[in-house]
Amino acid sequence: GESVGLHLPTLSVQEGDNSIINCAYSNSASDYFIWYKQESGKGPQFIIDIRSNMDKRQGQRVTVLLNKTVKHLSLQIAATQPGDSAVYFCAESPGLQGAQKLVFGQGTRLTINP
Amino acid sequence: KAGVTQTPRYLIKTRGQQVTLSCSPISGHRSVSWYQQTPGQGLQFLFEYFSETQRNKGNFPGRFSGRQFSNSRSEMNVSTLELGDSALYLCASSLTRGATEAFFGQGTRLTVV
Repeated sequence: GESVGLHLPTLSVQEGDNSIINCAYSNSASDYFIWYKQESGKGPQFIIDIRSNMDKRQGQRVTVLLNKTVKHLSLQIAATQPGDSAVYFCAESPGLQGAQKLVFGQGTRLTINP
Repeated sequence: KAGVTQTPRYLIKTRGQQVTLSCSPISGHRSVSWYQQTPGQGLQFLFEYFSETQRNKGNFPGRFSGRQFSNSRSEMNVSTLELGDSALYLCASSLTRGATEAFFGQGTRLTVV
């Protein structure tokens, strides 16, 4: 069945360091991948996405890497700040369904140490 | 412009009751998806509505249902509530089907006692 997972439930990093959050997916038919950030009491917030025809995409302080050979996705956050503390989810979209039917991973809680 | 609005924010119901949750998408958005979030199962897709029609459905029992109105607002209903239905129910709106961004509301926290 569909699943997106494999994660460290928690990740602690020093403020200013880079963070790397990993995710594995199982559906080779997935065309589209998204990283979301969820802060306490809020809904998930879009961070960055990548299509299956790409292996890297950069945003502001964030980079997503996609390795289709091993079905692995990672989110890199540069110069981590206290405001980056949240739970991070990877999500995949099977087929060409955009972001309307997403399969989410279990999430990784990122904690920033001062 | 206003984001996705979900009402109510919090709800407490008794086993066996039914509940209706509401979602108002971002103005102009026509696709609405619903998700259930629990500590054990994480975020799971419930269903997607577009043009007042259910387009996709997740692996949930028939007690979970929904609908979408002509103004794109959506409701979901859970009948014969069980303790395991306690969760955060999230709604996400997209401009249209196939759109690559989904904007989530803050969710409705349902507690079944």
